[in-house]
Amino acid sequence: QMQLQESGSGLVMPSQTLSLTCAVSGDSINSGAFSWSWIRQSPGKGLEWIGYVFQSGSAYYSPSLKSRATISVDRPNNVFSLNLTSLTAADTAVYFCAGAHNWYHYFVIWGQGTMVTVSS
Amino acid sequence: QTVVTQEPAFSVSPGGTVTLTCALTSGSVSTSHYPSWYQQTPGLPPRTLIFNTDIRSSGVPDRFSGSILENKAALTITGAQADDESIYYCLLYVGSGISVFGGGTRLTVL
Repeated sequence: QMQLQESGSGLVMPSQTLSLTCAVSGDSINSGAFSWSWIRQSPGKGLEWIGYVFQSGSAYYSPSLKSRATISVDRPNNVFSLNLTSLTAADTAVYFCAGAHNWYHYFVIWGQGTMVTVSS
Repeated sequence: QTVVTQEPAFSVSPGGTVTLTCALTSGSVSTSHYPSWYQQTPGLPPRTLIFNTDIRSSGVPDRFSGSILENKAALTITGAQADDESIYYCLLYVGSGISVFGGGTRLTVL
């Protein structure tokens, strides 16, 4: 059974870049059924979709984060990643990785989430 | 920017029925938005309940159902139970590779 696990920096300085990785286990990241996504949740707030990367390599992002976010796939290592630049305190959140169904655009599988704090 | 709205809070009695809705400020919700619904309890990742408007995810009890009602996506819980007390989020695909979550509805069962 496929599982996802986030890892990366838990504390990042303002203006720096956040780098998170999601390890896919139990199946290949090349599974044609999925695109790979990041979602975040600020403390006490709702879910915010960040973006997807499809098997083709095409990536799509929330308009509010498009200028700062990059999602990429590392196929040999079966992981995908999120880079988010120019961090501010407003980027403090739990970051979830997820596998999304290519046709029905819903999240089939979720990671447990990782807390990221932006602070000096 | 596309905004998806949900009721901030709702209350239902145990055994009762409640319908939560998910609307687009820019127009009607249809099946082409592929509405999906998620249940979240604090400290845990969301649980997928419904996808493609009305298909229950594996293991989801049949007291949860999805539909389109009056140009909104809807999640109906029939025979609410205490452990249904959670926050419920909808997700809409708005085209051009973009998806948007609603703000969530906090459901109280009492």
